[in-house]
Amino acid sequence: SQQGEEDPQALSIQEGENATMNCSYKTSINNLQWYRQNSGRGLVHLILIRSNEREKHSGRLRVTLDTSKKSSSLLITASRAADTASYFCATAPGAGKLIFGQGTTLQVKP
Amino acid sequence: NAGVTQTPKFRVLKTGQSMTLLCAQDMNHEYMYWYRQDPGMGLRLIHYSVGEGTTAKGEVPDGYNVSRLKKQNFLLGLESAAPSQTSVYFCASSDDMTGELFFGEGSRLTVL
Repeated sequence: SQQGEEDPQALSIQEGENATMNCSYKTSINNLQWYRQNSGRGLVHLILIRSNEREKHSGRLRVTLDTSKKSSSLLITASRAADTASYFCATAPGAGKLIFGQGTTLQVKP
Repeated sequence: NAGVTQTPKFRVLKTGQSMTLLCAQDMNHEYMYWYRQDPGMGLRLIHYSVGEGTTAKGEVPDGYNVSRLKKQNFLLGLESAAPSQTSVYFCASSDDMTGELFFGEGSRLTVL
């Protein structure tokens, strides 16, 4: 069973708008990571947030983590057509292996 | 900067045939993983290795075997392919079990 569940499953926005996608998980975690996958390619690591962190920024990306609600959100500001991809959250429960969610497919229309 | 390299990139098999997927990493990572990706299922861990000579089962290990004879290589074998093993397979490596994963570009396998 999947540890992380992304919401929404699909998102379509116009270029320049912000995109927000959410991830919920079930057990306590060591950290939570977000990955991007362009069509037909491998996954690329975007950002890692540790369980004792609440917010993290990387360029146009902002990630929040609420361990009390077991949820995280990824915000992409001022989206571009090149941001079109699938985005996955992955959780590290304790010392265990990363577990991936099913992903959010983002389409950014020019 | 090769990173993680998977071969082959595409393969078509008939039911019952065997094959091996090769993963090579040049980052001196201890940990290596094999995932499969199916529509609507996300990535599921098949097998992983925490170092040369070690392997362990992941979430969906049945029908697959792995070997890590050299630190830089992680092989995934299918002894008797089944249509249910049609999928895209990804290899990944990391220097920390809970840290960032570096992925290969994937191997698309079709079993007829």
